[in-house]
Amino acid sequence: SQQGEEDPQALSIQEGENATMNCSYKTSINNLQWYRQNSGRGLVHLILIRSNEREKHSGRLRVTLDTSKKSSSLLITASRAADTASYFCATYYGGSQGNLIFGKGTKLSVKP
Amino acid sequence: DGGITQSPKYLFRKEGQNVTLSCEQNLNHDAMYWYRQDPGQGLRLIYYSQIVNDFQKGDIAEGYSVSREKKESFPLTVTSAQKNPTAFYLCASANSRGDRSPETQYFGPGTRLLVL
Repeated sequence: SQQGEEDPQALSIQEGENATMNCSYKTSINNLQWYRQNSGRGLVHLILIRSNEREKHSGRLRVTLDTSKKSSSLLITASRAADTASYFCATYYGGSQGNLIFGKGTKLSVKP
Repeated sequence: DGGITQSPKYLFRKEGQNVTLSCEQNLNHDAMYWYRQDPGQGLRLIYYSQIVNDFQKGDIAEGYSVSREKKESFPLTVTSAQKNPTAFYLCASANSRGDRSPETQYFGPGTRLLVL
């Protein structure tokens, strides 16, 4: 399977702390994306990083990509209770199909 | 107000019954997708369509069928052949630009299917 894998599966932190989630994948990618899902809702796109990029920022989010290790990390700084959600990485391998391959997600709980 | 809508929010299926889940988008996206989400398993691709009147099987297409008669609509039918249909179903769409395959996907709110 080409599926990415997130680590850890679950993460519990206090408000104000930083949260780091990791994603590993198996073959070369065109880009890697992170999505967020609140319980019982659809996914929301957070950030996309291309294979020729190493780091990207969006507000309190920081994503890194290491293509040599086939891994990415998502850092949420100064977390808030509202950040409580599941976070998924999705890899895009390019080609005619254009399909994303989703990992199983990291469930983040931020306690007030 | 642009976006993707899915209906119904909850759907109950009886044994041997076919049910259809609706997915509509007004984002003018060419590509549309159906995913199934089970607890702890992430998203698995059922079917996708990159253009009207054309669709392709995903990883778990057995027991499902789709149609793409209009750009805005991509309904999913869960047939009686799908023996374990209880799951959360998510529809998504993405913009294709010429020969470039779609990248970022935009998701609907989902439909939860339960078997009676």
